[in-house]
Amino acid sequence: GEDVEQSLFLSVREGDSSVINCTYTDSSSTYLYWYKQEPGAGLQLLTYIFSNMDMKQDQRLTVLLNKKDKHLSLRIADTQTGDSAIYFCAESIRNSGYALNFGKGTSLLVTP
Amino acid sequence: ETGVTQSPTHLIKTRGQQVTLRCSSQSGHNTVSWYQQALGQGPQFIFQYYREEENGRGNFPPRFSGLQFPNYSSELNVNALELDDSALYLCASSLPQRNTEAFFGQGTRLTVV
Repeated sequence: GEDVEQSLFLSVREGDSSVINCTYTDSSSTYLYWYKQEPGAGLQLLTYIFSNMDMKQDQRLTVLLNKKDKHLSLRIADTQTGDSAIYFCAESIRNSGYALNFGKGTSLLVTP
Repeated sequence: ETGVTQSPTHLIKTRGQQVTLRCSSQSGHNTVSWYQQALGQGPQFIFQYYREEENGRGNFPPRFSGLQFPNYSSELNVNALELDDSALYLCASSLPQRNTEAFFGQGTRLTVV
């Protein structure tokens, strides 16, 4: 599929907020997702947002969606060292059974 | 723990060989999707199976094929392996059109030498 774009790296200090940005491609995507991948592991679904929403908050996570610009962001409040991982943005692919089109991932490093 | 199990966890094959990877879906999930994740890349959609039929396919050649069984478990077969097939292969199970509840296995790391 076409590219879902993410910045490759982000470094923050423990306790600060992290913001990971994503630009997606398909304006008809029903759901947009954020996944987390730790070294050597599979993908963990963090949160998702329905395309008719602008914002979703889930504990330390806040997702913002700008449909006009096809821009999605994930804010992690009070970032901890355990949040260090790769974060993937994904959109659903309507003509493939709602399978997922992923970005290349943003590597988040949280320093003490 | 997602309830999705994949086997084997690691595998080394020689170029030109064939490989079969296996996935057991989460209980009650009748849709299985396979993804290829090359090193440093995001997962790429290979195909999806629903009720034993292919239900969508990404941009992969026909030497990538699959099966889904009546118990909803699935296999990914790759023929004529190439060096570029070296990757982490991920399986995800879900209910149809409900990828909000898609759960991924830990993956199979395939190395082609």
